[in-house]
Amino acid sequence: QSALTQPASVSGSPGQSITISCTGTSSDVGGYDYVSWYQQHPGKAPKLMIFEVSNRPSGVSNRFSGSKSGNTASLTISGLQAEDEADYYCSSYTSSSTLVFGGGTKLTVL
Amino acid sequence: QVQLVQSGAEVKKPGASVKVSCKASGYTFTGYYMHWVRQAPGQGLEWMGWINPNSGGTNYAQNFQGRVTMTRDTSISTAYLELSRLRSDDTAVYYCARPLLTTMTNMGYWGQGTLVTVSS
Repeated sequence: QSALTQPASVSGSPGQSITISCTGTSSDVGGYDYVSWYQQHPGKAPKLMIFEVSNRPSGVSNRFSGSKSGNTASLTISGLQAEDEADYYCSSYTSSSTLVFGGGTKLTVL
Repeated sequence: QVQLVQSGAEVKKPGASVKVSCKASGYTFTGYYMHWVRQAPGQGLEWMGWINPNSGGTNYAQNFQGRVTMTRDTSISTAYLELSRLRSDDTAVYYCARPLLTTMTNMGYWGQGTLVTVSS
């Protein structure tokens, strides 16, 4: 199972919006509404930010939103804040009943 | 509240095996799958597999087939990851993670991570 494809880095200024893409295949992202997004700060465990494409766990800011079109899922962060600077990973359920991660995207808040 | 507490750091020689534990509390252990994920230094997350603590059924990532074994002890609400024939590129932080809900499709709760260092 190949890793999902994410941009290596994105950046934005405080208050702006950014979008991170996550591209897979019809056997993972495109085939199921089971895409998740994780935020990871240095030295910390990942944190679930979005599950099942567009659902936010309790306590996650509504500035984070998710969507999917075909084989590509997206995470959008609006009203960018300094604390959003972190690595972001997408994950998808696959046709083999496994999970697969993207390579990760480093978000820099300018 | 849900807590996953992992065992401490390990140093192993190439060719050896390592077994990492993950003790769960705050929920019914057999009601939720458990995933294992690793992260090599400076690298991304890599999914290793899941175990169904109720049945003991497992599903491993292809990259680890033949080297990984996931087990559980329901009497003490603990999941285990064993990785054999260790190589230097197995040096990583290993995490256990529980789904947010009863489906196994995400990882909503994470352990603190266990650093495994493989070095001669």
